[in-house]
Order: sequence, then structure tokens, then C-alpha cells
Amino acid sequence: GQQLNQSPQSMFIQEGEDVSMNCTSSSIFNTWLWYKQDPGEGPVLLIALYKAGELTSNGRLTAQFGITRKDSFLNISASIPSDVGIYFCAGRGNYGGSQGNLIFGKGTKLSVKP
Amino acid sequence: EPEVTQTPSHQVTQMGQEVILRCVPISNHLYFYWYRQILGQKVEFLVSFYNNEISEKSEIFDDQFSVERPDGSNFTLKIRSTKLEDSAMYFCASSGSARVSYNEQFFGPGTRLTVL
Repeated sequence: GQQLNQSPQSMFIQEGEDVSMNCTSSSIFNTWLWYKQDPGEGPVLLIALYKAGELTSNGRLTAQFGITRKDSFLNISASIPSDVGIYFCAGRGNYGGSQGNLIFGKGTKLSVKP
Repeated sequence: EPEVTQTPSHQVTQMGQEVILRCVPISNHLYFYWYRQILGQKVEFLVSFYNNEISEKSEIFDDQFSVERPDGSNFTLKIRSTKLEDSAMYFCASSGSARVSYNEQFFGPGTRLTVL
């Protein structure tokens, strides 16, 4: 089945640093979504991307939908302690009869040192 | 801001018992989903539901699982005879009807299911 490769698996950075993580797939997606999950809670939608090449920001977060439709990246600028959590990419296809369920990456665990 | 709610937050059950996990999706949403997340792993799709029927299900969603929308607000996941490997966080999600909101799935806080 479709798989998303998300990297890095974990990051340990200093407060104020910029962060970059990405997802790649062997299949194309029509939508890329980025979620953040805090311990014991559900994923919270951060950014949704709909068109190849699209670049979208949400505060200090910026995400891009790759031109090939097989990848996406998320950048966080000037990280702060509350950025700590696990970030998941998710892709949504809509072909082969699929109604477009989300396929998730394995997550990037972000730790921020004050 | 409207949100997806789930009950209970934690369910402990004996192997072989039936459990029902409950969700109240965002009120004007039309598409409903269940996902699960085994501890430390990625979120996995189980089933999607639209217009009072299952629209898609994964290979995880076997005959032991069923979903129901018994009234205008609740959306339930039933596991008929729980197994140890069913222990996981179960997330309900919903999305709207317009093109943009259809793609954006909003997740509830989850129910942690522990099968002993």
C-alpha cells in the first residue's frame, strides 16, 4: 500500500532555532496535511496544502506541496518550548476508488531546549 | 470553536468483551472517520462513513468492527470481541462538505483502549 517516509524521526534543538522536516512518497497525493500531536491528545491540523508548488504559512509555520506531488516539507521558524510534540504529515489521494482516507507518516518528534 | 468529542477517554476491558467507543463529530460535518494509533506508532485509518454507510475501510477493519450513526449527533465504533492487539488510541475525525473542508479532517482527543 501507499507509504509516507517522514524524516527526521526526532530532533532536539535549541529554542530560537529553525526546524525543517519532510515527507516523501512513491505515490502522488492530491492533498498534503500537517498535524501536531501532544502526548495523550489527538492530532491537531496545522496546515493543509492542495496544489503542487503551493506554499502556505500559519504563523511561524510554513509548508510546501512538492512540484512532483510526492513530497512536502514543514518549516518552523524561531522555535519556542511549546513547539514540542510529534509532527505528522498526512497525504490524501483520491483515486482507485478511494474516498481519500488519510495516510500518515511515522512522525517527527521535536524537543526544544530552552 | 467547534470540536470533535469522544467518550470515554479511557476504556479498560477483558479480552473477548465487546466495547463501544463514542464520538460526537463537528455538527455540520458530513464525513466521519475512525483511526487508531498503537502506542508509539503512526496513526492508521480504519473506516470512513458518509450518508449513513461505510464509504471505505482498511484491512484492519475486519468483521469484529462495526460503525453506526444511531442519531443525528453520535458516531460509534464497536469492537465485538476484543483482542489484546486491539489495545490502542482510537481517534474519531470528521470533515465537512465543501471541497476545502472535505479534505481537512479534524480529530477528537481519542479513547485509550486497554485490553487485558
